[in-house]
Amino acid sequence: DAGITQSPRHKVTETGTPVTLRCHQTENHRYMYWYRQDPGHGLRLIHYSYGVKDTDKGEVSDGYSVSRSKTEDFLLTLESATSSQTSVYFCAISADRDEQYFGPGTRLTVT
Amino acid sequence: GDSVTQMEGPVTLSEEAFLTINCTYTATGYPSLFWYVQYPGEGLQLLLKATKADDKGSNKGFEATYRKETTSFHLEKGSVQVSDSAVYFCALKSNAGNMLTFGGGTRLMVKP
Repeated sequence: DAGITQSPRHKVTETGTPVTLRCHQTENHRYMYWYRQDPGHGLRLIHYSYGVKDTDKGEVSDGYSVSRSKTEDFLLTLESATSSQTSVYFCAISADRDEQYFGPGTRLTVT
Repeated sequence: GDSVTQMEGPVTLSEEAFLTINCTYTATGYPSLFWYVQYPGEGLQLLLKATKADDKGSNKGFEATYRKETTSFHLEKGSVQVSDSAVYFCALKSNAGNMLTFGGGTRLMVKP
């Protein structure tokens, strides 16, 4: 299995609070991605990174920001969490823009 | 834009039954096509892929053939097991981009 960890694995937070999710990889892959998974929607891309300090928006980027200061870490921040951001968040990595390998997920609940 | 449509589940089968999960796509050019599987409480795992028309991806008894003429990538398995119970996602990646576009997922339940 690709070396991908996500932290925390579970989080409950209140509306309006900031939240940061972390994705860490040990594979030295260039590309990293953040997705959210919601019933009936499959996975939808939030943001992705194609190198240190290089990021771009995905399909559902509103309300989210990302940072990548090191190859191995990709952070997803919800500046002010809302109930609509309750979801399961997956990080993925890729070496060659083709196959993506997914982390175990973070379940976020915004009350 | 790109899109993937999968049959809605749940699909409930008895052990050793034949499985088909339909997947069709809309994309420009010649995308790469993937099937991912998600077991309960886990992340997605790549099951198989095909990168050009008429390619057949296969893994763990599962197969899917890239059909350009029908824009389809149906997943099949000849004899399912209880351990195959999971959610299956069809996805595509266009040649021009980095992003995977996923279908909504199909839950498979296999009963002994």
